[in-house]
Amino acid sequence: QKEVEQNSGPLSVPEGAIASLNCTYSDRVSQSFFWYRQYSGKSPELIMSIYSNGDKEDGRFTAQLNKASQYVSLLIRDSQPSDSATYLCAVNDWTTGNQFYFGTGTSLTVIP
Amino acid sequence: EAQVTQNPRYLITVTGKKLTVTCSQNMNHEYMSWYRQDPGLGLRQIYYSMNVEVTDKGDVPEGYKVSRKEKRNFPLILESPSPNQTSLYFCASSLGDGDEQYFGPGTRLTVT
Repeated sequence: QKEVEQNSGPLSVPEGAIASLNCTYSDRVSQSFFWYRQYSGKSPELIMSIYSNGDKEDGRFTAQLNKASQYVSLLIRDSQPSDSATYLCAVNDWTTGNQFYFGTGTSLTVIP
Repeated sequence: EAQVTQNPRYLITVTGKKLTVTCSQNMNHEYMSWYRQDPGLGLRQIYYSMNVEVTDKGDVPEGYKVSRKEKRNFPLILESPSPNQTSLYFCASSLGDGDEQYFGPGTRLTVT
């Protein structure tokens, strides 16, 4: 049974600041890592996927993966009020099937 | 438009009355999954399917059935719903092993 831990927040940052979201997972076998954004009452939407150690950048978003520390993070630069949502971390071990494990999410509020 | 669709979007039913929630994707994805989302518990995988006629249990399969007779469809069946199955349900699909999942709009189920 994998466990995926996230700080539930709420995390508040001022507009234009960097928001830092963190996620730890319980085992070393996980292969694929994802960040999803979920607005209240809506379905999760993919922000980033990361498979290798290091950083991956996409626009204002940077995902960081450290498999040795079992840690994945998401940085949001130049945060906008529209970034206010719950951010879900997910891990997957595709070598043993396609079971996904999600954290409970971190609630982010960007203050104008 | 590439999408995952679910029906119905909202359903109120009574204990013991069999129901089916349909899920369909038009992206020719191999993998499909069902999740339930509950406050404080996050997204939990119910069942997943890696291909036609291949299904496997996720974390919380009790009380649910699935089938995958066609690649595009993955219905979720509750043969005898109980109030503890009141939840928000999401269907998701992905291209292959370890790939990012795309979610349907969700089905809010209430069992009285």
